[in-house]
Amino acid sequence: AQRVTQPEKLLSVFKGAPVELKCNYSYSGSPELFWYVQYSRQRLQLLLRHISRESIKGFTADLNKGETSFHLKKPFAQEEDSAMYYCALLVPGNQFYFGTGTSLTVIP
Amino acid sequence: DVKVTQSLRYLVKRTGEKVFLECVQDMDHENMFWYRQDPGLGLRLIYFSYDVKMKEKGDIPEGYSVSREKKERFSLILESASTNQTSMYLCASSSQPRGLKLFFGSGTQLSVL
Repeated sequence: AQRVTQPEKLLSVFKGAPVELKCNYSYSGSPELFWYVQYSRQRLQLLLRHISRESIKGFTADLNKGETSFHLKKPFAQEEDSAMYYCALLVPGNQFYFGTGTSLTVIP
Repeated sequence: DVKVTQSLRYLVKRTGEKVFLECVQDMDHENMFWYRQDPGLGLRLIYFSYDVKMKEKGDIPEGYSVSREKKERFSLILESASTNQTSMYLCASSSQPRGLKLFFGSGTQLSVL
């Protein structure tokens, strides 16, 4: 069953423009959600997690339980933000379920 | 920092051959995972392990098996490779009891001809 949905496979924005990468989840319990990022020629790495309520590299993500969403946002995109972004859901048993990913391109 | 090592970056095999992918982590993590990464499909969990000699099936275990004889090492085995197993294979590890962060290897791109 699909637990994490990322509706956009590709997303292009201009440098300096706001960016939002969408993530919706399906889970009956209390969700723990994450964003992972993979820059070109680098390994997949954790960007941020909702329980920390942190801002990393200018990105934030708010868990909206009513809309079952965990969208990733940044007010001003930078060229170095170009990467593949994955939303992930952690379920009991320490299993992560990943979305299909969104490839972000920031146009100079 | 945690290091998860997949020693093979690229591997080419023929249909029917046995494939052995190895993953080693150096942070004494209990949990280890094998994913495959395909464009448009994201990361899909093949197998995972919570401890030595323990294994659990993920979403797509068919055609794969795993081995965890030592805590630091988690191997993925394709007994008889098929072309639809051409993919990027990612290994990851996390700690117990609540593995809130996955540490990934750099991946092995397997091509089955």
